[in-house]
Amino acid sequence: AQSVTQLDSHVSVSEGTPVLLRCNYSSSYSPSLFWYVQHPNKGLQLLLKYTSAATLVKGINGFEAEFKKSETSFHLTKPSAHMSDAAEYFCTSGTYKYIFGTGTRLKVLA
Amino acid sequence: DGGITQSPKYLFRKEGQNVTLSCEQNLNHDAMYWYRQDPGQGLRLIYYSQIVNDFQKGDIAEGYSVSREKKESFPLTVTSAQKNPTAFYLCASSKTGNSPLHFGNGTRLTVT
Repeated sequence: AQSVTQLDSHVSVSEGTPVLLRCNYSSSYSPSLFWYVQHPNKGLQLLLKYTSAATLVKGINGFEAEFKKSETSFHLTKPSAHMSDAAEYFCTSGTYKYIFGTGTRLKVLA
Repeated sequence: DGGITQSPKYLFRKEGQNVTLSCEQNLNHDAMYWYRQDPGQGLRLIYYSQIVNDFQKGDIAEGYSVSREKKESFPLTVTSAQKNPTAFYLCASSKTGNSPLHFGNGTRLTVT
């Protein structure tokens, strides 16, 4: 069965420092992988999607993620955090029955 | 602009009453979904529909029902059989089964 594990429920970083949000997946085949962001009381917005075309995927707002098949990981990174990045982030995988991780709440300290 | 509209934003009901949440999309997407979000549990799939007049149960379908009579619309009914209906409900759509999901802004349902 497919599963998605977000390894940290909360991450705190200082403004201007790098962000790393970790996601591992399990799948018997090459999955579709996505990262979404959710601001309070809002729906989710797509940050980026993995396609088999490239292992390093660039998304919106300076985020990117690297697909590592050997590690079954799809970690989300950003070189320099901004206050507006504070939100909850979800990693997801699947086809129709998308499986969501439990989310990582990112806090950005001034 | 195309998008997904969920209404209402907040909904209050008494225990024992059925309630229907609205979801409309103008993205011309074939697939639509309903998720339930509870703190610390991520999103859990209630129902999804790949095409008009067809839908499948997700992981937590008990106590919920849906219909898909039109491509644009996928209403969710929370029945009195749902034991813990208070939650944030999110509707989404996608062009195909492995396309990105487009989400509405959610309906927060409170049942007392």
